[in-house]
Amino acid sequence: NAGVTQTPKFQVLKTGQSMTLQCAQDMNHNSMYWYRQDPGMGLRLIYYSASEGTTDKGEVPNGYNVSRLNKREFSLRLESAAPSQTSVYFCASTLDLADNEQFFGPGTRLTVL
Amino acid sequence: GENVEQHPSTLSVQEGDSAVIKCTYSDSASNYFPWYKQELGKRPQLIIDIRSNVGEKKDQRIAVTLNKTAKHFSLHITETQPEDSAVYFCAASNIRDMRFGAGTRLTVKP
Repeated sequence: NAGVTQTPKFQVLKTGQSMTLQCAQDMNHNSMYWYRQDPGMGLRLIYYSASEGTTDKGEVPNGYNVSRLNKREFSLRLESAAPSQTSVYFCASTLDLADNEQFFGPGTRLTVL
Repeated sequence: GENVEQHPSTLSVQEGDSAVIKCTYSDSASNYFPWYKQELGKRPQLIIDIRSNVGEKKDQRIAVTLNKTAKHFSLHITETQPEDSAVYFCAASNIRDMRFGAGTRLTVKP
C-alpha cells in the first residue's frame, strides 16, 4: 500500500508555462483534495472531488483546474503559471467526504520564476 | 465559508512542560476537528481528532477539548519531548471541505 503518491516532487517553471501535478491513491477512497501550503498561512484548499465524477472549488481556485480521472487519480493543472503560485502542493484523500481523517501525499515543491 | 484561527503562532517550552494550542472556528455546521503534526519537509499527519458530539478526547500524552458553544477547541500535550518539536495545525471540517489554521511552530528545548 503506497497510500497517496504525488509526482513530481520538485518542479521549476517559468512564468506562463503550464504543467500538471499528478496524484493517486490506492486506499479506495472516494474523496480527494488539493491544497497549497505557504509560509504562515497553513494549508488552503484549492479544489476537491467529493466522489468520482464531481469536482468543486475550494478557498483559492483561481489559476487552477482539476480533473478526477478515475477513482484513484486526481490531477491539478496550472495553465499559465505565475510567481504567486510558487508553493508546496499537497494532495489528500479521505474514505468519504471531508469529516474524516485526510491522508496526505508527500507534496510537490513548485517554484515559478 | 469557514474561518479557523490558531494561536499562538510559535511556542517554545522546556522538555517535560505542557504545551497548549488553541483554535477558534466560525461555521456552526463544522462537526469534525482534527489536529495534524508536520515535521520539517514532511507531509501533515493526523495525531488526534474529535467530533462535535464529544467534549474531550485523550490519547496518551495528547488531549483535545472542544467547546461547541464558544466555537473553540484546544490541543494539550503533556510531558513534552524534543521529538514533539514540529508545526501543528488545527482544522475544522463540515461534510464538504476542511479548513486549516495557520499553524503553530512548537519547539521543545532539551
